Amino acid sequence: SQKIEQNSEALNIQEGKTATLTCNYTNYSPAYLQWYRQDPGRGPVFLLLIRENEKEKRKERLKVTFDTTLKQSLFHITASQPADSATYLCALVVTGNQFYFGTGTSLTVIP
Amino acid sequence: DTAVSQTPKYLVTQMGNDKSIKCEQNLGHDTMYWYKQDSKKFLKIMFSYNNKELIINETVPNRFSPKSPDKAHLNLHINSLELGDSAVYFCASREGQTNTEAFFGQGTRLTVV
Repeated sequence: SQKIEQNSEALNIQEGKTATLTCNYTNYSPAYLQWYRQDPGRGPVFLLLIRENEKEKRKERLKVTFDTTLKQSLFHITASQPADSATYLCALVVTGNQFYFGTGTSLTVIP
Repeated sequence: DTAVSQTPKYLVTQMGNDKSIKCEQNLGHDTMYWYKQDSKKFLKIMFSYNNKELIINETVPNRFSPKSPDKAHLNLHINSLELGDSAVYFCASREGQTNTEAFFGQGTRLTVV
């Protein structure tokens, strides 16, 4: 069966540290992978996109890697801040415009 | 202007009723989606609609039906509501190409009592 799993439901880290979130998938062949942030009571908001032929993508304090052999993406937030506390979702886009989300990881950055 | 807007934001209704949730996007996108987010925050795709092509997740009960009067709107109709339908429903849109992000509405919290 097809699955998209994110490492843990909840992740707590100290302010200033790097948060690393994992997205693993099976039985998909995604054209690319995206990461979203969701705050309570709001819809997901797009953060970063990485294509299957790209190894790494950066945007300010965010970094995403994509390993199609391991079927895994890592999402890093460096110099984390309490304002980074949210749920982070990975999403796979496959052919036919189908858009599938992972299980999500709730990140709490402790001051 | 809100890019993707859903109404209502909250909906409380009794079992057995029929209800609709409206979604409108002003981004000119040609693909729209409906997702269901359960209590564990898992976002499950229900429908995608692109240029009048409807792709239905096979696990969605046929009590749920999307209706698209035009490219900017994709409404969700639910018949004979059940307790298990309680969740947050999100509408989203994106351009048709695969390398584009999705824009989400604020969500509709449906509670069936």
